[in-house]
Amino acid sequence: GNSVTQMEGPVTLSEEAFLTINCTYTATGYPSLFWYVQYPGEGLQLLLKATKADDKGSNKGFEATYRKETTSFHLEKGSVQVSDSAVYFCAYNNNDMRFGAGTRLTVKP
Amino acid sequence: NAGVTQTPKFQVLKTGQSMTLQCAQDMNHNSMYWYRQDPGMGLRLIYYSASEGTTDKGEVPNGYNVSRLNKREFSLRLESAAPSQTSVYFCASSDQGVGETQYFGPGTRLLVL
Repeated sequence: GNSVTQMEGPVTLSEEAFLTINCTYTATGYPSLFWYVQYPGEGLQLLLKATKADDKGSNKGFEATYRKETTSFHLEKGSVQVSDSAVYFCAYNNNDMRFGAGTRLTVKP
Repeated sequence: NAGVTQTPKFQVLKTGQSMTLQCAQDMNHNSMYWYRQDPGMGLRLIYYSASEGTTDKGEVPNGYNVSRLNKREFSLRLESAAPSQTSVYFCASSDQGVGETQYFGPGTRLLVL
């Protein structure tokens, strides 16, 4: 069935390190793909999205490219900050929204 | 512009008690959703309402009921709470349906003893 698999956490990085959080999906057709971020004590917020193959979503220094050939939407950031500490969720929509389990990122000064 | 609001923020229930979680949005969105968030499982859809007057089951509807009271409000009811319903509940809304960006409320943390 349809599902989203993302890299298990937790992930701990030092400030200015490079970040990759892997995400793959299984779905028929051409779903829209999303990354949401959840800061402590808050609801989810959209970080970025891509609606078709080869699209690149970007926001706040984060990027992810819709790769249909590998059914992936990996999240990257070149230089993380302490303020990026949060839980990151990959999600897709293909007539219903499905979320990955979430990856907790902690960035240390 | 408050976005999506939820009440209460936190609730403790005893097994068998009932309660209603309230959700309202002021963005004039057509679609609204209820999710539960459990450790290691991401968000799972309980019920959704694609438009005013309609509701549909999501992935985990058992033990819950919903009411789309009007375009703004979408409530979730637990008729007889069970410990397995201990979770964080999020309400969300979107403009055109599940394909669009969803906007989330701050969540309700529910503990069932």
